[in-house]
Amino acid sequence: SAVISQKPSRDICQRGTSLTIQCQVDSQVTMMFWYRQQPGQSLTLIATANQGSEATYESGFVIDKFPISRPNLTFSTLTVSNMSPEDSSIYLCSVGLAGGPSEQFFGPGTRLTVL
Amino acid sequence: KQEVTQIPAALSVPEGENLVLNCSFTDSAIYNLQWFRQDPGKGLTSLLLIQSSQREQTSGRLNASLDKSSGRSTLYIAASQPGDSATYLCAVLRSNDYKLSFGAGTTVTVRA
Repeated sequence: SAVISQKPSRDICQRGTSLTIQCQVDSQVTMMFWYRQQPGQSLTLIATANQGSEATYESGFVIDKFPISRPNLTFSTLTVSNMSPEDSSIYLCSVGLAGGPSEQFFGPGTRLTVL
Repeated sequence: KQEVTQIPAALSVPEGENLVLNCSFTDSAIYNLQWFRQDPGKGLTSLLLIQSSQREQTSGRLNASLDKSSGRSTLYIAASQPGDSATYLCAVLRSNDYKLSFGAGTTVTVRA
C-alpha cells in the first residue's frame, strides 16, 4: 500500500483567487491522479499527473483552470485557478503503485469552499 | 463509455444484520474492480480489490464477488456494526486506459 498526505486538508477561499493543493506519497509511484468530488456526487477524474511530462486532462478540464505539476515520483500539486463557488468540492489525489493496472490508493482529500 | 451504477443509493439496517451492496457496470473490459469506503468529508479507504480473473475476495467480515461477463459485483458485510456506517463506492479500472470509473455510492447507516 501507500501512505498519501495532502495539504491543506481544507480551505475557504474568495472568488477569483487560486489555491494550490499538495500531494505527497511515501514511496515512488509511476501514476498519480487528481479527482474532484462535488457535494453529494461521486468522483470525477480531472487529470493524470505524469512525471517528466505534461499532465493528461479529461474531457471538461483544462490546464489553464487546473494546472498540475509533477516534479518527482513522490510529489504533485494541483492548482485551482480563478475560483468560483462552483469549484467548491473535495479534491483528492490517488496513486497506482505499478506502471500499469493496479490497485489505487487515495489521499485524505482537500475540502475547498469558495465564497 | 463505462457506466457504473450502485443500488441501493441508501440503506439503513439494525446492528447485526448482513449488508448487501450491488454494483453494475456496462463494459466488461475491465482490469479490476475496487470497493472503497468513504466517511463524511474524508478520503477513500480501499476495502477490497478483485482482479478481472477472480470471482471473489474476502477480508474479515467483507466479501466481494465479481461476475465480469454480466457486469456485476456484490459487496457483503456480515454482522454489521454502527462503525460500518459510511458511503461505499465501487470503481472499475478500464482496460483501455487504466482509469477508474466510479459509481455514485451506497450510503449505509447501521442503527445501534
